[in-house]
Amino acid sequence: AQSVAQPEDQVNVAEGNPLTVKCTYSVSGNPYLFWYVQYPNRGLQFLLKYITGDNLVKGSYGFEAEFNKSQTSFHLKKPSALVSDSALYFCAVRDILNYGGSQGNLIFGKGTKLSVKP
Amino acid sequence: DAGVTQSPTHLIKTRGQQVTLRCSPISGHKSVSWYQQVLGQGPQFIFQYYEKEERGRGNFPDRFSARQFPNYSSELNVNALLLGDSALYLCASSLEGWNEQYFGPGTRLTVT
Repeated sequence: AQSVAQPEDQVNVAEGNPLTVKCTYSVSGNPYLFWYVQYPNRGLQFLLKYITGDNLVKGSYGFEAEFNKSQTSFHLKKPSALVSDSALYFCAVRDILNYGGSQGNLIFGKGTKLSVKP
Repeated sequence: DAGVTQSPTHLIKTRGQQVTLRCSPISGHKSVSWYQQVLGQGPQFIFQYYEKEERGRGNFPDRFSARQFPNYSSELNVNALLLGDSALYLCASSLEGWNEQYFGPGTRLTVT
C-alpha cells in the first residue's frame, strides 16, 4: 500500500531561522509527491509537487522541497521562517495503484503543525 | 478567477438524517474529488469524478454517494448520518484527473 508519514506532530521555529518539515513515503514505482498547507478553518492550499526531474522543487511563498530517493523522503524547507507561515502542513502522495478508476486522488499524511515564534 | 467554492459553510444535523454538500470547481476543471477530514487527521479520499463519471472511490460505506453535473459541479450525499460523520468535507478540482488538486474551503458538518 502507498503511504506517507510525517514523523513530527509539531515543529517550533524562531522567526528568521530555517525550517524543515519532514515527510517520508512508501510507494510502488515512481512517487508523485505534494505539499499542501492549511490555515485554521480553511481548505488546503497547494504549495509544490514533485513528479520527475530536479530533486529540489521550488514552490509558493518561498518554500521548497528536496526529493531523496535513497532515503524515500520529501522534506519541506524554507530558508527564513515567517510568523505567517504558522499553519498545518500536509505531505501527500498520488494513489497510482487505484486502477479502479482514479489516478488522481491523494493519500495524505496526518499533518505537522508548524509554529513560528517572533 | 474564482477558486473552488463549497456550500454550505457549516451544517448541523441530527443522527439518522441525510445531508447534501455542494461544490463548484474552478472554471475549466473537469475533475472533482471529495475528501473527509476528521479533526487531527489528514484528509481521506471519498470519491473522484471526471467528465460526470465516477473514477474512484475510497473506503467509505454505501451511505456516501456523489454525482457530477454537466457543468462539472458536484454534490456529495450522506444518508443515515452517524456521529462519526462529523468532519470537514473538502472538495478539490483539477484540470484532468491526474493534475494537482485545488481545494475549496470545506463544509464543516456536525452531527449531534
